[in-house]
Amino acid sequence: SAVISQKPSRDICQRGTSLTIQCQVDSQVTMMFWYRQQPGQSLTLIATANQGSEATYESGFVIDKFPISRPNLTFSTLTVSNMSPEDSSIYLCSVEIARGGYGYTFGSGTRLTVV
Amino acid sequence: AQTVTQSQPEMSVQEAETVTLSCTYDTSENNYYLFWYKQPPSRQMILVIRQEAYKQQNATENRFSVNFQKAAKSFSLKISDSQLGDTAMYFCAFMKQSGNQFYFGTGTSLTVIP
Repeated sequence: SAVISQKPSRDICQRGTSLTIQCQVDSQVTMMFWYRQQPGQSLTLIATANQGSEATYESGFVIDKFPISRPNLTFSTLTVSNMSPEDSSIYLCSVEIARGGYGYTFGSGTRLTVV
Repeated sequence: AQTVTQSQPEMSVQEAETVTLSCTYDTSENNYYLFWYKQPPSRQMILVIRQEAYKQQNATENRFSVNFQKAAKSFSLKISDSQLGDTAMYFCAFMKQSGNQFYFGTGTSLTVIP
């Protein structure tokens, strides 16, 4: 399985500002995923990021709010833009190593609090 | 659309006892995978067990086993000989065989009591 380093692990931000979350993988992966876990809620997929193409966003998430970069096969960033308290969540990245569900690894998440 | 429902927000069990976590799902797919993930306070999502829908035999992983009822769209997790380290949030999840997106339930917070 892959090892994911996700940074920062937590942050407290002022409303109206932006935060960029980094996800570094120790091996090359084709597909990377960004999830949001709101307080007391489950994980919801924000977008899928493939290297060399635009990220694919799920319903309810837009690129202007959550721009994603995927410059190479081991790295991705998610930016939470123009933050409001409703953006306070845990954000997790995930990678697919093999199909069929066995080959997924999650990062340890970024706990974001917007004040 | 796929939905996953966990009707038990919180549960507790005495150490060494057995506990069962419930999960139901809704899908029109015939081929899919079902999962139980564990999320301890460290926030790391850890795969507990996986079931392929075409397999009738229930998956088992040491102290963890599932009761998969495809017709009823039910997928419960049984934890035997509960240990303190089992304390965590448990998420049931669904994935289409043809896809790569997880659909998670809302989770069950399990506390193992010494």
